[in-house]
Amino acid sequence: EAGVAQSPRYKIIEKRQSVAFWCNPISGHATLYWYQQILGQGPKLLIQFQNNGVVDDSQLPKDRFSAERLKGVDSTLKIQPAKLEDSAVYLCASSFGSGRGSSYNEQFFGPGTRLTVL
Amino acid sequence: AQSVTQLDSQVPVFEEAPVELRCNYSSSVSVYLFWYVQYPNQGLQLLLKYLSGSTLVKGINGFEAEFNKSQTSFHLRKPSVHISDTAEYFCAVYTNKLIFGTGTLLAVQP
Repeated sequence: EAGVAQSPRYKIIEKRQSVAFWCNPISGHATLYWYQQILGQGPKLLIQFQNNGVVDDSQLPKDRFSAERLKGVDSTLKIQPAKLEDSAVYLCASSFGSGRGSSYNEQFFGPGTRLTVL
Repeated sequence: AQSVTQLDSQVPVFEEAPVELRCNYSSSVSVYLFWYVQYPNQGLQLLLKYLSGSTLVKGINGFEAEFNKSQTSFHLRKPSVHISDTAEYFCAVYTNKLIFGTGTLLAVQP
């Protein structure tokens, strides 16, 4: 079974530029997550989709970050314009079910995209 | 609000020695608990999870963890480590989303 795919693996941009990351979840997984992992910290959830709808985007900086999952499969996370503090690894994960409330569905993580903002 | 504390940012240990990585959580509701491992330039891999039942949980690569509700802890242990266990280890708590600790770097030395 193929895992979660992400591209690019590395990206270097200057501040105020725009950048986009792509994620393809495991086939059949309804829920897709984007996490931000700053150096020295644990991953932090940015946004959660179930199919093509947003379940949780409470920690997404909406003034500069946007994400979409138009057909309920792959997803794109965009930053526009980037700031120095956006330097981090952006992890995508997927799970079979929604995992909301008391239920839990195991999340499978991709290799991440390492973003450096200069 | 839920939170996770990993008390040690780095744990150096010699090969074949035992190791314990500490994790404490705070939550006002029942939680599910996890340990993930992250090798350099890779994503997170699930080591083990506690959802319910036995408080001693066994995972992959010889790791185990014990859920202690009274001490709100979920420490990770391995009786004998290998060089290949060198990685970052994250404890996480789940209520309706995964909340991660800051991670512990396990550095196994020959």
